[in-house]
Amino acid sequence: AQSVTQLDSHVSVSEGTPVLLRCNYSSSYSPSLFWYVQHPNKGLQLLLKYTSAATLVKGINGFEAEFKKSETSFHLTKPSAHMSDAAEYFCVVSVWNQGGKLIFGQGTELSVKP
Amino acid sequence: KAGVTQTPRYLIKTRGQQVTLSCSPISGHRSVSWYQQTPGQGLQFLFEYFSETQRNKGNFPGRFSGRQFSNSRSEMNVSTLELGDSALYLCASSLGPSSVNTEAFFGQGTRLTVV
Repeated sequence: AQSVTQLDSHVSVSEGTPVLLRCNYSSSYSPSLFWYVQHPNKGLQLLLKYTSAATLVKGINGFEAEFKKSETSFHLTKPSAHMSDAAEYFCVVSVWNQGGKLIFGQGTELSVKP
Repeated sequence: KAGVTQTPRYLIKTRGQQVTLSCSPISGHRSVSWYQQTPGQGLQFLFEYFSETQRNKGNFPGRFSGRQFSNSRSEMNVSTLELGDSALYLCASSLGPSSVNTEAFFGQGTRLTVV
């Protein structure tokens, strides 16, 4: 079965410092992985996706993630946090044999201090 | 280009009632998926429709149902509401049938409160 585990339920950083949100996945097959962001009272917005092309994936708003098969990880990073980055972030895997059904991690809430 | 539109944004219902939520996908998108988001269970897949056919269904009781119309708009219905059905219901649309590489675009959701 495929699954994702987000290792931190809450991360707090200062504005201008790096962001690291950790995600491990479990999959019997080459997975498709995504990061989505959800701002308060908003829907989900796709930040980036990995679909077996380049292992380093660049997304919107300066975010990027690296797929590491040996570590079964897909951590999300950003060099310098901005106040507007405060939101909840979801690591997501697409189930290959169920028509692309999305399985979400439990989410990581990112706080950014001024 | 308009995004995914969900109506209504907020609903308050009483236990035992039924409710219908609506989702209009992005123009040209033919696939609609529904997800339930709760603090305890997180985001869980409900079902997916493509070309008016249900392609996939999550592990929810039969009280949860849906349909898709010829214009790709979708509705989901929950009958005999329970307190535990209180959640944010999110709709996602995609161009074609969901596959592992499909990018899903989400609406802002409908916040259902059951009292």
